[in-house]
Amino acid sequence: DQQVKQNSPSLSVQEGRISILNCDYTNSMFDYFLWYKKYPAEGPTFLISISSIKDKNEDGRFTVFLNKSAKHLSLHIVPSQPGDSAVYFCAVATSGTYKYIFGTGTRLKVLA
Amino acid sequence: EAGVAQSPRYKIIEKRQSVAFWCNPISGHATLYWYQQILGQGPKLLIQFQNNGVVDDSQLPKDRFSAERLKGVDSTLKIQPAKLEDSAVYLCASRGLSYEQYFGPGTRLTVT
Repeated sequence: DQQVKQNSPSLSVQEGRISILNCDYTNSMFDYFLWYKKYPAEGPTFLISISSIKDKNEDGRFTVFLNKSAKHLSLHIVPSQPGDSAVYFCAVATSGTYKYIFGTGTRLKVLA
Repeated sequence: EAGVAQSPRYKIIEKRQSVAFWCNPISGHATLYWYQQILGQGPKLLIQFQNNGVVDDSQLPKDRFSAERLKGVDSTLKIQPAKLEDSAVYLCASRGLSYEQYFGPGTRLTVT
């Protein structure tokens, strides 16, 4: 029973355009949300996070949006660059436990 | 600041053999995690340590997997005996005071 779902296994976007990656979760107890980026043969690296008290967080080209009522978060990358090509994982946690559940990942390919 | 170190990077063993993985977290990080990532899936938590105590090992197959964190620093994860379905990347991560986890490069295990 998957508590965190990334329904798009892959996504291709033209360089300079917007990339939108989506993540859905089932449990309303989750209140901290993170995005990680993973290149081949490397461990995941932290990208951006958001707590449930916010609905948006920006860091440069990366913005995470949280819709608590829909139990949905998304990562926007604008503008997309070829170096953004990687697998992106969303992760959720309940505050205080620091125990994370990861989605299955979305492979983003940015075409030059 | 040095990152999370893991060794070996790759390991090939036959089923029913034993194997051990080692992790050295970022200095000062009290929380250490071991994850199993099967191809095409997200990382799945196996065990979470806080200093040298176990916080969560509910998803660790205890009949064959064991882990320890000596003196609250380095950690080892052992599989004995290995099964074909244990073929995966084993990721170690550590966390300081924030929600952000730092991952090592992982150990790719192939069981034949």
